[in-house]
Amino acid sequence: NAGVTQTPKFHILKTGQSMTLQCAQDMNHGYMSWYRQDPGMGLRLIYYSAAAGTTDKEVPNGYNVSRLNTEDFPLRLVSAAPSQTSVYLCASSQRPRRYFGPGTRLTVL
Amino acid sequence: AQSVAQPEDQVNVAEGNPLTVKCTYSVSGNPYLFWYVQYPNRGLQFLLKYITGDNLVKGSYGFEAEFNKSQTSFHLKKPSALVSDSALYFCAVRDPHAGNNRKLIWGLGTSLAVNP
Repeated sequence: NAGVTQTPKFHILKTGQSMTLQCAQDMNHGYMSWYRQDPGMGLRLIYYSAAAGTTDKEVPNGYNVSRLNTEDFPLRLVSAAPSQTSVYLCASSQRPRRYFGPGTRLTVL
Repeated sequence: AQSVAQPEDQVNVAEGNPLTVKCTYSVSGNPYLFWYVQYPNRGLQFLLKYITGDNLVKGSYGFEAEFNKSQTSFHLKKPSALVSDSALYFCAVRDPHAGNNRKLIWGLGTSLAVNP
């Protein structure tokens, strides 16, 4: 199994641009989630999905998510802002463990 | 409100010495507790968990953690530190009464530096 994969590893955006962070898992996990990791802030949950086709909480402003199938869980930055500069971590879960991807380091100028 | 505290931003130990990374929590009822490790430029990896049973939990890479209900703590320990243990360590807690909501509450992380 490849586990949880994320692309790209690094990216630089200009304010107002949009992009999609890709996340995929091949473990047939139902639960997937996105976090952002910032110095001094720990891990902050952005969104989670309990299963393909479901939405479980309100998506924070500036982000868009979709869960069309079990494997993929892309996170879209609609109109990037410097406050979204962060390391984004994707995870999938099989109780009680979470499996994390390697992360995407995103800089918004 | 549920919360997790890791009181130390940084822990420094010499190689071969025992290490402790502290974690305290505030959750109603009996919590599910976790430790994750993040090596430089890599994603988080599961180390160990406490759900129920023996208060001393053994995990990956020789780490263990002790659940102490009276002190609401779940400190991570290792008898003899290795330089390769240098990483960022996160403690997390889940409310077992949260039903299908698997949301974890995360500590801010503790950076462990093991000096040769």
